[in-house]
Amino acid sequence: DARVTQTPRHKVTEMGQEVTMRCQPILGHNTVFWYRQTMMQGLELLAYFRNRAPLDDSGMPKDRFSAEMPDATLATLKIQPSEPRDSAVYFCASGFFLVEGEQYFGPGTRLTVT
Amino acid sequence: GENVEQHPSTLSVQEGDSAVIKCTYSDSASNYFPWYKQELGKRPQLIIDIRSNVGEKKDQRIAVTLNKTAKHFSLHITETQPEDSAVYFCAASPNDMRFGAGTRLTVKP
Repeated sequence: DARVTQTPRHKVTEMGQEVTMRCQPILGHNTVFWYRQTMMQGLELLAYFRNRAPLDDSGMPKDRFSAEMPDATLATLKIQPSEPRDSAVYFCASGFFLVEGEQYFGPGTRLTVT
Repeated sequence: GENVEQHPSTLSVQEGDSAVIKCTYSDSASNYFPWYKQELGKRPQLIIDIRSNVGEKKDQRIAVTLNKTAKHFSLHITETQPEDSAVYFCAASPNDMRFGAGTRLTVKP
């Protein structure tokens, strides 16, 4: 039963520190999404990649957030410097898109910035 | 870009009753409409989806309808059970995936 995996599952850090979240998409999937979920904002699309190329990162605060796919088995989301308002659950999702299609979510990383 | 609105934000029904959640979207290029169920502390899970060439799709107690002309789609859950209690999200996809704000469904035994 193939699943998207994310590490770490929980992260507590102090304001100003760098945070890196990792995602391993399902093998063979060519599209990876990063979402942020807070109680107030629901599921907010931050960025997504197709065939490792960034297609849209307009949802990300560019000054502090960055997303990359160094290879087909790893996607990273980095926050530097972190702020308390970044506290949320960050989900990665992957899918195999020819035109469009279903995506599968990872378990999420719960980030708390104090 | 795509904008998805979802109503109601909360919904409480008695066990055995039906529940209906509605979504509207703005981008006429959207052609894929999934619904996700998210239980507390867990990941969203796909429960049903519909593509733009189909008007209705059913899977046991859940069904989704799509009206492309009006740009709205709905989730119908019949014979609700307490385990249906969760937050439900609709989404619409032209190329990326935009989610509605979610509906918290409570099924009272």
